[in-house]
Amino acid sequence: EVHLLQSGGGLVQPGGSLRLSCAASGFTFSSYAMSWVRQAPGKGLEWLSSISGTGGTTFYADSVKGRFTVSRDNSKNTLSLQMNSLRAEDTAVYYCAKGQVNGIQSRFDYWGQGTLVTVSS
Amino acid sequence: EIVLAQSPDTLSLSPGERATLSCRASQSVSGSYLAWYQQKPGQAPRLLIYGASSRATGIPDRFSGSGSGTDFTLTISRLEPEDFAVYYCQQYGSSQLTFGGGTKVEIK
Repeated sequence: EVHLLQSGGGLVQPGGSLRLSCAASGFTFSSYAMSWVRQAPGKGLEWLSSISGTGGTTFYADSVKGRFTVSRDNSKNTLSLQMNSLRAEDTAVYYCAKGQVNGIQSRFDYWGQGTLVTVSS
Repeated sequence: EIVLAQSPDTLSLSPGERATLSCRASQSVSGSYLAWYQQKPGQAPRLLIYGASSRATGIPDRFSGSGSGTDFTLTISRLEPEDFAVYYCQQYGSSQLTFGGGTKVEIK
């Protein structure tokens, strides 16, 4: 059974940094692209970033490019999102998501439970 | 970036009725790489439809998707109580993935 267990998140001051993690199990992690999606309170879904199975290719939304970095450790079946220069508008529930196929441009068939990031002084 | 516009914002229907949700793209979606998700309060989204018209594993056949190019539709043939939720479309035909703003299907 596929399982994505997220950790990290919490309260951070504007300008601060935070690292989110997503531990995957139940599938061959290195064979699938992974992504991060967020949802601001009461708002819709926003795609943030995707990383290929090997980690060699990454894509970012313009809203986070240069501030967020996605990475993966295939030896530990773990996906990470390093978030720097955080702003109030980054406040949201953050989800990790598994691509349904091995291409980096994919729909998402499994999602983590979500973790809340609050950026506030 | 491909912008996805969903309509209507809210659909008020009764159980047993038919729901028709629209997703319009600002430019053609390559390969009909369009997915639909259902999200209930406090839960992660669930994949319903991919490739515009293919049902994901375990999705009931009352859910169907259609369309190509810039116009896509999600149809729920007969609403069940558990279908009242928010629905999002997503395109994955470009390297900048995008979601629509969502349509809420509420009980009338």
